[in-house]
Amino acid sequence: QVQLVESGGGVVQPGRSLRLSCVASGFTFRSYGMHWVRQAPGKGLEWVAGVWYDGSKKYYADSVKGRFTISRDNSKNTLYLQMNSLRAEDTAIYYCARVPGGLLGEEYFEYWGQGTLVTVSS
Amino acid sequence: DIQMTQSPSSLSASVGDRVTITCRASQGISNYLAWFQQKPGKAPKSLIYAASNLQSGVPSRFSGSGSETDFTLTISSLQPEDFATYYCQQYNSYRWTFGQGTKVDI
Repeated sequence: QVQLVESGGGVVQPGRSLRLSCVASGFTFRSYGMHWVRQAPGKGLEWVAGVWYDGSKKYYADSVKGRFTISRDNSKNTLYLQMNSLRAEDTAIYYCARVPGGLLGEEYFEYWGQGTLVTVSS
Repeated sequence: DIQMTQSPSSLSASVGDRVTITCRASQGISNYLAWFQQKPGKAPKSLIYAASNLQSGVPSRFSGSGSETDFTLTISSLQPEDFATYYCQQYNSYRWTFGQGTKVDI
């Protein structure tokens, strides 16, 4: 069965960096597009970034563009989110999600991981 | 960005009730609309995609309808395990957006 397991969250000071990982299993990772979605404490869902199956195209929300980088290593079945220049408003649970196809366009978020909590605080 | 507006923000219902949640897009999105259920402390779970297609394994009491700007999620007979927060999401553009959520409680 499809499994997505995030890790790498924790407490970090404003301005510092953190890298999240999402390890996939139960499907052919290299064939599917992937996203990161976050949820601030007590708030709704916010899309953060997405990447094509082969890593050739990436998309970002305005709130993280220039600070966050999505990437993937298909040989390790792993999705990453490199987060730089972190701010208090980046505090959230970060979920990875898989779409049904490879290219993200017109594809919904079919499977979700359990999330990892990032807290940005001094 | 396409704005998604859900109503109501919250509702109280009883087991066995028919529940309807609406979602409005700020511009036409064809049928590129999904619904998710989220329980406290858990990840969102996909319920419906393409406005009206039931995700595998989702009970048939859940149904979706609509197109372009107006969409509806209906739970025909609310069960105890359905008390949760529900989100709509558009995936028509390369800037995916969610509704603000509708909390369904007793």
